[in-house]
Amino acid sequence: NAGVTQTPKFQVLKTGQSMTLQCAQDMNHNSMYWYRQDPGMGLRLIYYSASEGTTDKGEVPNGYNVSRLNKREFSLRLESAAPSQTSVYFCASSGRLAGSYNEQFFGPGTRLTVL
Amino acid sequence: QKEVEQNSGPLSVPEGAIASLNCTYSDRGSQSFFWYRQYSGKSPELIMFIYSNGDKEDGRFTAQLNKASQYVSLLIRDSQPSDSATYLCAVIFSGGYQKVTFGIGTKLQVIP
Repeated sequence: NAGVTQTPKFQVLKTGQSMTLQCAQDMNHNSMYWYRQDPGMGLRLIYYSASEGTTDKGEVPNGYNVSRLNKREFSLRLESAAPSQTSVYFCASSGRLAGSYNEQFFGPGTRLTVL
Repeated sequence: QKEVEQNSGPLSVPEGAIASLNCTYSDRGSQSFFWYRQYSGKSPELIMFIYSNGDKEDGRFTAQLNKASQYVSLLIRDSQPSDSATYLCAVIFSGGYQKVTFGIGTKLQVIP
């Protein structure tokens, strides 16, 4: 099992450009997440998808859109990149087991720089 | 706004000592608590979870939860240089379903 995969690993954009970050998981998890991580700010939730066909805003959704393409794939789109979106982006997935256990499995991250 | 608070550190401990990492949270109704470890340049990985008041031990790691005081802690016994990493406290707030809120993380340095 590959777990959670993300592409690309690195990306440099110019202000105003658009791009899509791809994420896929092979653990048959229902829930998927997109986070950004900035120095001194910790991991902040951008969007999440509790199940296939649903998406919800997290703490910092402005400037982003998401698509839950199917159970495996959850993409994050930046329509018009801004320097404030320079960050490390992590995708994660989790599966609800008996009880409330909810371990999140993270992808390797995408390091995005917006000039 | 519901928050998870951690001291960013760095926390420096000598090899073989006990490292104590602390976290407080704002929502008294929270039920699920996690500790993730993140090495520099890597993604977070779960090392402990706890739901009930008291202590939970797993090898050299002990998670402690006190819901009345709204804090959760992580003890690392016999600290090793390989434990040097950032430790993220995470909480599922009441009504949050599977939405996890992370603290900023505490950087731990274990000095050989």
